[in-house]
Amino acid sequence: DAGITQSPRHKVTETGTPVTLRCHQTENHRYMYWYRQDPGHGLRLIHYSYGVKDTDKGEVSDGYSVSRSKTEDFLLTLESATSSQTSVYFCAISGRDRQPQHFGDGTRLSIL
Amino acid sequence: KQEVTQIPAALSVPEGENLVLNCSFTDSAIYNLQWFRQDPGKGLTSLLLIQSSQREQTSGRLNASLDKSSGRSTLYIAASQPGDSATYLCAVISPNDYKLSFGAGTTVTVRA
Repeated sequence: DAGITQSPRHKVTETGTPVTLRCHQTENHRYMYWYRQDPGHGLRLIHYSYGVKDTDKGEVSDGYSVSRSKTEDFLLTLESATSSQTSVYFCAISGRDRQPQHFGDGTRLSIL
Repeated sequence: KQEVTQIPAALSVPEGENLVLNCSFTDSAIYNLQWFRQDPGKGLTSLLLIQSSQREQTSGRLNASLDKSSGRSTLYIAASQPGDSATYLCAVISPNDYKLSFGAGTTVTVRA
């Protein structure tokens, strides 16, 4: 299995608070992705990175920001969490942009 | 915008029966199509990847076909087992931006 660790695995927080999720990889892959998974919607891309300090928006990027200061770490930040951001968040990595993506085990985030 | 649909949303079969899972997509200009398996509380595991130039791909009891012109892919699982119970998702990669578009998945239950 690809070495991907997401932290925390579970988090409950209140509306309006900042939240940061971390994805850590040991594969030295160039591409990293953040998705959210909601019932009936499948997975939707939030942001992705194609290198250190190189990031771009996905389909549902509003309310989220990302940073990648090292190859191995990709951070997803909710500056001011809202209840609509309650979801399961997955990180994925790939060595090349058109190659299969490998997923972490997800972070279950509840915003009350 | 690429739309990916998986029907049915859920499926229950007795052990030993062959499984047929369907995936359709609206834009036939895809780079490749990927089938994933997701177990409860876990991330996604890549099962098969079909390049746009291929008609099918096989791995063990799994066979996936691709008909780009009609915007369809089918995943066949032969002689189903209780361990095949999971959610199966398909995703297509656009040749323009290399991003994955996911279906919402089919949840399969194989009854012993």
